Amino acid sequence: QVQLVESGGGVVQPGGSLRLSCAASGFTFSSYGMHWVRQAPGKGLEWVAFIRYDGSNKYYADSVKGRFTISRDNSKNTLYLQMNSLRAEDTAVYYCAKDLGPPFAIWGQGTMVTVSS
Amino acid sequence: QPVLTQPPSSSASPGESARLTCTLPSDINVGSYNIYWYQQKPGSPPRYLLYYYSDSDKGQGSGVPSRFSGSKDASANTGILLISGLQSEDEADYYCMIWPSNAVVFGGGTKLTVL
Repeated sequence: QVQLVESGGGVVQPGGSLRLSCAASGFTFSSYGMHWVRQAPGKGLEWVAFIRYDGSNKYYADSVKGRFTISRDNSKNTLYLQMNSLRAEDTAVYYCAKDLGPPFAIWGQGTMVTVSS
Repeated sequence: QPVLTQPPSSSASPGESARLTCTLPSDINVGSYNIYWYQQKPGSPPRYLLYYYSDSDKGQGSGVPSRFSGSKDASANTGILLISGLQSEDEADYYCMIWPSNAVVFGGGTKLTVL
């Protein structure tokens, strides 16, 4: 079945870096754009970034532009989010989600990122 | 990036209907966009419910009951999620979403309580 599994979350100090991964299965990963969405504790959903199916276009929320980089390896069916210069306000559960079919119909279970000293 | 306004909370009794709204900023015409709706229960990722563009262009998520439906109020520049025949299991957070151009926008969410 269609599945997305995030990993790589953890506790990091302010100013630190972390790389999240999202392993996809059950669909042709290389044919779909992919998103990262985050949810701070007790808060709503915040879209973070999108990458086209072939990696040719990437879009970011203003709140992470210049600090986060979305990428993908279609040979490994894996989506990534490189997060640098992390701040306390980046603390959240990070979800990956499949675009189209329709958008955000498939989500992973999420991985928690805590930015704290 | 634009902001979609959703009331923080709403409540209704079992069997009644709940009408959840999602208001777009004045510079974005609701008539030009698909409005997507998602349900989220505590400890789980969001679940896709449906999208609505027009009565002839809409779609229901897989396994989503027909008592969940979408519409628009153009005069209020608002997308609407209607849940009829409320059940206790409908108690959840509901989010709207649009994708205007190079950025996806989620509403702030409405917590629906089934009394």
